[in-house]
Amino acid sequence: NAGVTQTPKFQVLKTGQSMTLQCAQDMNHNSMYWYRQDPGMGLRLIYYSASEGTTDKGEVPNGYNVSRLNKREFSLRLESAAPSQTSVYFCASHWDITYEQYFGPGTRLTVT
Amino acid sequence: QQQVKQSPQSLIVQKGGISIINCAYENTAFDYFPWYQQFPGKGPALLIAIRPDVSEKKEGRFTISFNKSAKQFSLHIMDSQPGDSATYFCAASITSNTGKLIFGQGTTLQVKP
Repeated sequence: NAGVTQTPKFQVLKTGQSMTLQCAQDMNHNSMYWYRQDPGMGLRLIYYSASEGTTDKGEVPNGYNVSRLNKREFSLRLESAAPSQTSVYFCASHWDITYEQYFGPGTRLTVT
Repeated sequence: QQQVKQSPQSLIVQKGGISIINCAYENTAFDYFPWYQQFPGKGPALLIAIRPDVSEKKEGRFTISFNKSAKQFSLHIMDSQPGDSATYFCAASITSNTGKLIFGQGTTLQVKP
């Protein structure tokens, strides 16, 4: 089992460019999440999906969109990147039995 | 609104010492309190978790102490080792509400040999 995988690992964008961060999990989990991590701010929830076909906003959704393509995949899209979106982005999936969240390795995004 | 407050922001401990990280929460509906450990360049991973019906949980050198009346919980790392050097996050969630986690700000622990 690969667990939670994310692509790409690193990305540099210019202000105004768009991109999609990909996430997939092979653990048959229902819930998936996108977080951003900034120094001193902890992990902040951007969007989450409680099940295939549903998505909801988290704490910091502005400037992002998501798609729950199927049970395995949950993508995060930046339509017009801004320097404030420079961050490390983590995808996670959630096991309903133990409440544990499993995190991917992260994507380090820099917007210049 | 920061619902989970974590302190200290950074901590330096000598090898063999005790590391203590504290968290306070506001929402009394929280019913699951995990601690996550993150090494540089990696995603966070669950270390230990507690439910509010117990006051303490121990797994090896790691112990969570939970004070429901004070709305506080803490992580104790006994006999701290250089390999424990990492960033630690406390979190809280309402398990009936999709399992969303609210994270503290994180504590960077350095254990000196």
